[in-house]
Amino acid sequence: EIVLTQSPGTLSLSPGERATLSCRASQSVSSSYLAWYQLKPGQAPRLLIYGASSRATGIPDRFSGSGSGTDFTLTISRLEPEDFAVYYCQQYGSSPRTFGGGTKVEIK
Amino acid sequence: QVQLQESGPGLVKPSQTLSLTCTVSGGSISSGGYYWSWIRQHPGKGLEWIGYIYYSGSTYYNPSLKSRVTISVDTSKNQFSLKLSSVTAADTAVYYCARDSWNGDYEDYWGQGTLVIVSS
Repeated sequence: EIVLTQSPGTLSLSPGERATLSCRASQSVSSSYLAWYQLKPGQAPRLLIYGASSRATGIPDRFSGSGSGTDFTLTISRLEPEDFAVYYCQQYGSSPRTFGGGTKVEIK
Repeated sequence: QVQLQESGPGLVKPSQTLSLTCTVSGGSISSGGYYWSWIRQHPGKGLEWIGYIYYSGSTYYNPSLKSRVTISVDTSKNQFSLKLSSVTAADTAVYYCARDSWNGDYEDYWGQGTLVIVSS
């Protein structure tokens, strides 16, 4: 199965700053079938990005995804207070679908 | 808007079977076009995809759990369920149900999750 490694484990930033999250795959992700999710305690996880770079319905344009092959990036251009959360990448091009270990974006 | 809600016991004894149900509202499982998944998150760790089911009953399970997992569907109640047998403390996790998107094997709607603790 494909192993996804996310870095950094924790990102300490202030509101308004730019966040860059990395997701590296142990082998090439087929057809850029990579998604990003946001998780907050007690809430339903939220799909942000699919197909490596397509924003899900209702997701603000400050969230963007890029990458292909084995290296992918989620960028939050200007952090809003509600963006402090844990973010996970997922590959769904190879079975079984797998997730990364997560990056926590915390308030500095 | 589709909503999903997990339900079931929050405490299960070791060696027993964990049973959870996901109730779907705002959409019909039997209308087809979507797969319905279970995912779990161990405390302080990442997410693990467990498996999915289609309204017809066809399933696919993560090979790492396949020998212990059964996912079923009850279209009359608009619910799908998870059973995980022979549980150990390693199965303690938050369990999520979710809907797969129509255009890919990623999850576009999720439930809030339910914590299941395996302990005697």
